[in-house]
This record gives sequence, structure tokens and C-alpha cells, in this order.
Amino acid sequence: DQQVKQNSPSLSVQEGRISILNCDYTNSMFDYFLWYKKYPAEGPTFLISISSIKDKNEDGRFTVFLNKSAKHLSLHIVPSQPGDSAVYFCAASESRNTPLVFGKGTRLSVIA
Amino acid sequence: DGGITQSPKYLFRKEGQNVTLSCEQNLNHDAMYWYRQDPGQGLRLIYYSQIVNDFQKGDIAEGYSVSREKKESFPLTVTSAQKNPTAFYLCASSILPGTGARGDTQYFGPGTRLTVL
Repeated sequence: DQQVKQNSPSLSVQEGRISILNCDYTNSMFDYFLWYKKYPAEGPTFLISISSIKDKNEDGRFTVFLNKSAKHLSLHIVPSQPGDSAVYFCAASESRNTPLVFGKGTRLSVIA
Repeated sequence: DGGITQSPKYLFRKEGQNVTLSCEQNLNHDAMYWYRQDPGQGLRLIYYSQIVNDFQKGDIAEGYSVSREKKESFPLTVTSAQKNPTAFYLCASSILPGTGARGDTQYFGPGTRLTVL
């Protein structure tokens, strides 16, 4: 039973446009959400996070939105750059003492 | 430089052999984790440890074993009982609660690709 779902395996966006990556979750006890970026044959790197007490967190070109009632979060990248091409993982945490639960990832391709 | 190191980058093993993957961190993190990544499967948790000499099974622990004798080190042994060991293995670490920051954010090593011949 997948608690964190990334329903789009891949996404293609033109350079300079907005990339929107989506993530849905089923566990209402999740209270902390993270996005990771991963290049092939490398470990994921932490990108941005959001606590359930907020609905938006912004860091440069990256913004994460959280809709608790819909159990949905999204990552917006504006403007998209070719170097953003990678696999993006959504992750969630139920409490400070439990491991993260990861989605299966979305492969983003930014086309020049 | 603080970080997480995994060695080797590529590892080949013959079927039926045990193999140990190394993971070391100098971030002074309390918790350490092992994941495996397969195409289309995302990251699946194998084992994790929140304190020295203690560890818990994750979602796919069968065929694997770990030890946590030192805070800095969390080696993973892939045993011959693991049916499909060929995968990309990732180690991660994080701080624990009580340190004034959210402990959930995990930081990953570069990974080890294990291929069984």
C-alpha cells in the first residue's frame, strides 16, 4: 500500500517555463514533507521541505505548496533550467522518530 | 569536509556470496539508513538505526543484515538469501529530535551499484 504517490513517472518542460511536480499522500498523520532531486548514479540531494503547519515554502526558484485537506503537495520550479533535469522524489514523515516514506519519483526533462 | 561516504562505487559479486557495503558519516548524525533503488520502484527502506548498537528492520529487510558498532559507521551485508540483490544501494543519515532542528531531513551518500553475476 503506497502511502506517498507520484502519479506522473515523467514530465517534459521547455526551458524558462514552470515545472510542476505533484505528490499525493494517504496517511493523515504525515506532518513533514520533503523533496529530493536525484541524478543518475548519484545519491538524492535534499531540495526543500515544508511542515504541515504551513501551506507554502519558497527557496529561490523552488516553491513547495501543501494542501492538507486534499493530501496533496506540489513542487514548482520557475524558471526551469536544463540542469533541473533529474528525478524528483517526494517524501513524508509521520513523526520525528519514524523514517521517511518516499514516492517512486518523477523524471523531469527540461528541454532547451 | 563533512559528508557521507559509500564504498565501493561499483561492486560485483558471484551468486551465493555474501558482500558488505560500507557507509561512513562524519556529520555527527545519530540516525543512519539503508535504501535500495530499483527502476520504477523509488527508494525502499532496508534497515535503519537511531542509536549505536540498535537497529530496526525496514520494509524489505529479508536477505540483509546490518551492524551499528560505531556512530559513524553502518555497514550493510547482502547475504546469499537475498533473491534479487542487483540494485543501487543508498545510505543516508540524519540528526535526531531534541537538537533544535527537525531530524527527519536525511542526507544521502553517493550510492553503491551492486551487480550479481
